[in-house]
Amino acid sequence: DTGVSQDPRHKITKRGQNVTFRCDPISEHNRLYWYRQTLGQGPEFLTYFQNEAQLEKSRLLSDRFSAERPKGSFSTLEIQRTEQGDSAMYLCASTAGRTDTQYFGPGTRLTVL
Amino acid sequence: KQEVTQIPAALSVPEGENLVLNCSFTDSAIYNLQWFRQDPGKGLTSLLLIQSSQREQTSGRLNASLDKSSGRSTLYIAASQPGDSATYLCAPLRGAGGTSYGKLTFGQGTILTVHP
Repeated sequence: DTGVSQDPRHKITKRGQNVTFRCDPISEHNRLYWYRQTLGQGPEFLTYFQNEAQLEKSRLLSDRFSAERPKGSFSTLEIQRTEQGDSAMYLCASTAGRTDTQYFGPGTRLTVL
Repeated sequence: KQEVTQIPAALSVPEGENLVLNCSFTDSAIYNLQWFRQDPGKGLTSLLLIQSSQREQTSGRLNASLDKSSGRSTLYIAASQPGDSATYLCAPLRGAGGTSYGKLTFGQGTILTVHP
């Protein structure tokens, strides 16, 4: 257990539905990241926050995706109008300090039927 | 754009063997490089982190080296055990001039199987 938690761990939804995932980082970590991983591939960067500010968004993050980190604590990732291509593991990581070691949560596995 | 390649894609060895996993990256402007382990269906566990100014980092039976100028890192596992079976991922962190720029770029990983 790295100290980063994600909820839910699994989500099955029908195409067109909206889903929201939550990430709780390690409490003193000011930077939080979202990645997406499809089967057989390494994780791909989606977005990251320093405190409550979203500093970078990947081109993978279409306008159906939105992420927030109110008050610089937990973060949510919402996907609107889900598509089958959104099926993946969504990973959250957090870090702090000069070494920038990223600690990953267990992930949320999304299946879109 | 950073691209990361890991060789081999899969490796199967008998217990007790020493082995080397290779990682190459195209952009040498990195802040650090992390090696991770991922068990099936699970999140990532950080194994080692090497700062861009370091050449080597060790933890137990694991040793990672970094040659930033040539864009290469290796992970050496000594005396492999069946419990080492997992996917191993390397990920350089973008950065320059002592500042990191957030995102890790991952390779596709090396799937390691250690059989008894």
